[in-house]
Amino acid sequence: EIVLTQSPGTLSLSPGEGATLSCRASQNVNSYFAWYQQRPGQAPRLLIYGASSRATGVPDRFSASGSGTDFTLSISRLEPEDFAVYYCQQYDNAQYTFGQGTRLEV
Amino acid sequence: EVQLVESGGGLVRPGGSLRLSCAGSGFTVRTNYMSWVRLAPGRGLEWVSSIYSGGQTHHADSVKGRFTISRDNAKNVVYLQMNSLTTDDTAVYYCTKANSPFTWFAPWGQGTQVTVSS
Repeated sequence: EIVLTQSPGTLSLSPGEGATLSCRASQNVNSYFAWYQQRPGQAPRLLIYGASSRATGVPDRFSASGSGTDFTLSISRLEPEDFAVYYCQQYDNAQYTFGQGTRLEV
Repeated sequence: EVQLVESGGGLVRPGGSLRLSCAGSGFTVRTNYMSWVRLAPGRGLEWVSSIYSGGQTHHADSVKGRFTISRDNAKNVVYLQMNSLTTDDTAVYYCTKANSPFTWFAPWGQGTQVTVSS
């Protein structure tokens, strides 16, 4: 099983600031990698696929990079609606795995 | 608009069974790769089961032999039959789709709560 480790577990920031979230895979997943946002009481929402491509409707203040084992999600100029939990996911093989999540809080 | 609506969750005793349903609209379940993913308290998201367009299924090791994913093409619904439930299965269960295997999941349903407790 490919283990994904997200850091930090919690990130405390203010609106207008920038955020950097990290995810490390226990083995090479190439660019078969996604990021999801989950707001309280809502379903997960796809943000990024293919390690760096924004999903439809995702604001350009969200950007992502990485390949292989190290991946980063960056959010510039945080808006109030960005405070949520973020999960990374690998789909390099059919035993899909997710990270444990990073909580972005005010 | 593509939508997924889950139902069937509830409170069940350890060792019991439950069947979850996921009704799709705006797309055809049969031609998509449909999956169940759960979110347990204090834990991250966990992939549970998937069904290919061709009907093949696969399950996470944690549920293999206990859970079965299936679909009803006429009703455009995906099911998750859960047997021999344990407290570790307590979670919100989400239905989601992908255009094919080995891709990302989108969109997701709102989820249905399953609580296993005596």
